[in-house]
Amino acid sequence: DGGITQSPKYLFRKEGQNVTLSCEQNLNHDAMYWYRQDPGQGLRLIYYSQIVNDFQKGDIAEGYSVSREKKESFPLTVTSAQKNPTAFYLCASSKGRGGRDTQYFGPGTRLTVL
Amino acid sequence: DQQVKQNSPSLSVQEGRISILNCDYTNSMFDYFLWYKKYPAEGPTFLISISSIKDKNEDGRFTVFLNKSAKHLSLHIVPSQPGDSAVYFCAASETSGSRLTFGEGTQLTVNP
Repeated sequence: DGGITQSPKYLFRKEGQNVTLSCEQNLNHDAMYWYRQDPGQGLRLIYYSQIVNDFQKGDIAEGYSVSREKKESFPLTVTSAQKNPTAFYLCASSKGRGGRDTQYFGPGTRLTVL
Repeated sequence: DQQVKQNSPSLSVQEGRISILNCDYTNSMFDYFLWYKKYPAEGPTFLISISSIKDKNEDGRFTVFLNKSAKHLSLHIVPSQPGDSAVYFCAASETSGSRLTFGEGTQLTVNP
């Protein structure tokens, strides 16, 4: 089955701890993206990567970090510097690197910081 | 600075009637628009798109209309079905862009 997997589906962490969210795709897509969804705010872009070993900040990158060491993997670390980390996090990928390329989303990870 | 806005947080319609979801944008460089549908606790799925060279694109029960002069697009669903109940996101991109900008989403509820 081709697709995007995010694990785990639910994640709980104590305040002040860093946490890494996993995103894997076997679609052979070049580009990958991380979004955050909060009620009433839609999807906001955190980071994106168009090619291995390269990534760009999105609109709300502060307090987050990413790596793209392999084409199929784009993990997101939520650091203790992120002031409001509790949210639903979505990973996506697209075949091409442009905004016209359809993005395919994973099922999401709901992170709750206690 | 919200470049893509969906001013209606929610919409409720009867089964069989038309659902019209609206989206406005401010960035005149946007020339490609998409609609995504999202069920709770799942990732969004692509629904339909339109390029700025067109003013209408149709796919089955779904039609997207684009009014470039008004910087406005709308998604029509006819006839609406209970399974259409979901959050609908409008998104936009620029020709040379490498990313999408999403609106806030509209929760559509189709009542049987």
